[in-house]
Amino acid sequence: EVQLVQSGAEVKKPGESLKISCKGSGYSFPNYWIGWVRQMPGKGLEWMGIVFPGDSDTRYSPSFQGQVTISADKSFNSAYLQWSSLKASDTAIYYCARGPPHDYGGNFDYWGQGTLVTVSS
Amino acid sequence: SSELTQDPAVSVALGQTVRITCQGDSLRSYYASWYQQKPGQAPVLVIYGKNNRPSGIPDRFSGSSSGNTASLTITGAQAEDEADYYCNSRDSSGRRGVFGTGTKVNVL
Repeated sequence: EVQLVQSGAEVKKPGESLKISCKGSGYSFPNYWIGWVRQMPGKGLEWMGIVFPGDSDTRYSPSFQGQVTISADKSFNSAYLQWSSLKASDTAIYYCARGPPHDYGGNFDYWGQGTLVTVSS
Repeated sequence: SSELTQDPAVSVALGQTVRITCQGDSLRSYYASWYQQKPGQAPVLVIYGKNNRPSGIPDRFSGSSSGNTASLTITGAQAEDEADYYCNSRDSSGRRGVFGTGTKVNVL
């Protein structure tokens, strides 16, 4: 059974750093894209970026380039999303999702349960 | 702002048919995929490619595309279809993805 399990909810202060994770199981992790999707409270889905664990090819939405870092470690079957300095506006649910080998745009067939990140002073 | 535009909300009577559209220039070159999201839940893929349904998705969901517009049709809408629906495809560069603005479907 394919599963993506994300790390737990986080409460942080502005300016702090954070790294959240997404662990895949039940499939060949290196051979599928992992995307990250933001959903701010009461808002829609936003495509943040995507990484191919097999060769670490990474692509970012222009809206998130420079704001976050996406990475993967195929030896741990895990992908990561990190911030060096959080802002209150980063408060959101962050989902990871699996994309097919041939498509780095989306077609996300399996999703993690979401990680709620709250940034507040 | 998103490069894929959807109507904010549509309503459909129980058992009737509703079509949700997604417009964007990249759709002339790439197919859209569609997701259903219910409150408090992660999105679920319902349509991908030309018109493919993942296992477990009812056949009342179908997809189509023409020019710069992709469509998701629910034929015989059920109460459980009330949800937010998002399209997803490549952006105008073709090197990244993008989601549509989302459509809330109300089943009356």
